Amino acid sequence: SQKIEQNSEALNIQEGKTATLTCNYTNYSPAYLQWYRQDPGRGPVFLLLIRENEKEKRKERLKVTFDTTLKQSLFHITASQPADSATYLCASFTGGFKTIFGAGTRLFVKA
Amino acid sequence: SQTIHQWPATLVQPVGSPLSLECTVEGTSNPNLYWYRQAAGRGLQLLFYSVGIGQISSEVPQNLSASRPQDRQFILSSKKLLLSDSGFYLCAWALTGSYNEQFFGPGTRLTVL
Repeated sequence: SQKIEQNSEALNIQEGKTATLTCNYTNYSPAYLQWYRQDPGRGPVFLLLIRENEKEKRKERLKVTFDTTLKQSLFHITASQPADSATYLCASFTGGFKTIFGAGTRLFVKA
Repeated sequence: SQTIHQWPATLVQPVGSPLSLECTVEGTSNPNLYWYRQAAGRGLQLLFYSVGIGQISSEVPQNLSASRPQDRQFILSSKKLLLSDSGFYLCAWALTGSYNEQFFGPGTRLTVL
């Protein structure tokens, strides 16, 4: 079955450093990958989308890569801040109406 | 701009009681609508989606049902709640023909006792 996997262990980094989160997919080839941010007790918020023919996408301090050979997407937050602390979800869309979500990785940025 | 509303925000219900969660979207027409459940520390489980009034697709067989009586209204129901129905329920919308970016509501925290 189609799977999206994210590191279940929380990521702890120091303020100012770059946070890198990993998303791996298996048993299919998504046309698009999406990244969302979710704060505790809130709904996820859409951040970025990257297409399979795009290697990299940037938005302010965020950067996403899509490696179809490794079947992996990396999500980077540069110059991280404590306000970036949240859970980040990776999701894939292969067409149709459904999006498959990973379980998310919690990021803690320490001041 | 588009807005999505969900209510109630929190709900505590006894086992065997009925459930009705409502979701409405403003500022867009003919959206695709979704119900997800998120267990603590887990990913989003797609429960139902709808591409139009009265059109419901079920992803997980269970004692829940969904209805879409109006274009921008999506309702999640149960006749008899189970303990396992506890969780965080999220409604979302996406534009038809988009890359299915999902826009989520604030969620309902349901505790079944």
